[in-house]
Amino acid sequence: ETGVTQTPRHLVMGMTNKKSLKCEQHLGHNAMYWYKQSAKKPLELMFVYNFKEQTENNSVPSRFSPECPNSSHLFLHLHTLQPEDSALYLCASSRTSGETQYFGPGTRLLVL
Amino acid sequence: TQLLEQSPQFLSIQEGENLTVYCNSSSVFSSLQWYRQEPGEGPVLLVTVVTGGEVKKLKRLTFQFGDARKDSSLHITAAQPGDTGLYLCAANAGGTSYGKLTFGQGTILTVHP
Repeated sequence: ETGVTQTPRHLVMGMTNKKSLKCEQHLGHNAMYWYKQSAKKPLELMFVYNFKEQTENNSVPSRFSPECPNSSHLFLHLHTLQPEDSALYLCASSRTSGETQYFGPGTRLLVL
Repeated sequence: TQLLEQSPQFLSIQEGENLTVYCNSSSVFSSLQWYRQEPGEGPVLLVTVVTGGEVKKLKRLTFQFGDARKDSSLHITAAQPGDTGLYLCAANAGGTSYGKLTFGQGTILTVHP
């Protein structure tokens, strides 16, 4: 499955580091999403982009900064994270906002 | 905030048994999806249901959307070890929340050989 790819697959970072997560979709979709998946909690929507415009910020702390340079690429810039930010970060895309979403494999993030 | 309640949270069964997973809410949804997720991977879409009362079949999996579009079930017949995984329901509320999926907490299914 190469529809939605995410890099890196695993990331360990200290609380003072700056890192970025990358998502790329090859499905010709126009909407992209970032989700956070923590143990024993439902998937949490973080950000939504529709035609490169951010349409949703679900009260996400500013230490997470999304960027969508075009409809195929989505980044999540990370800065001064906390240990409780350790989780699986999932990217998804859909043809347009509201349609069925297709997920990438995720980036497993560990903040020390 | 719409909530989706999935049950059971954990299910451990023997190969060949049947099982049903439920997804319930007090809210009406315009559509509902079922996903399956394996460890270390992202959720993979199994089905989308949009019409109240709709039934869809995918090999040994049968999905049903409630008449009132507030609940759904996933039934697996003759489960196999390859069915092991996390099953997630997700719903699109529509209206001003259109485009936002609400996820249930998931059902972890383990099928023993």
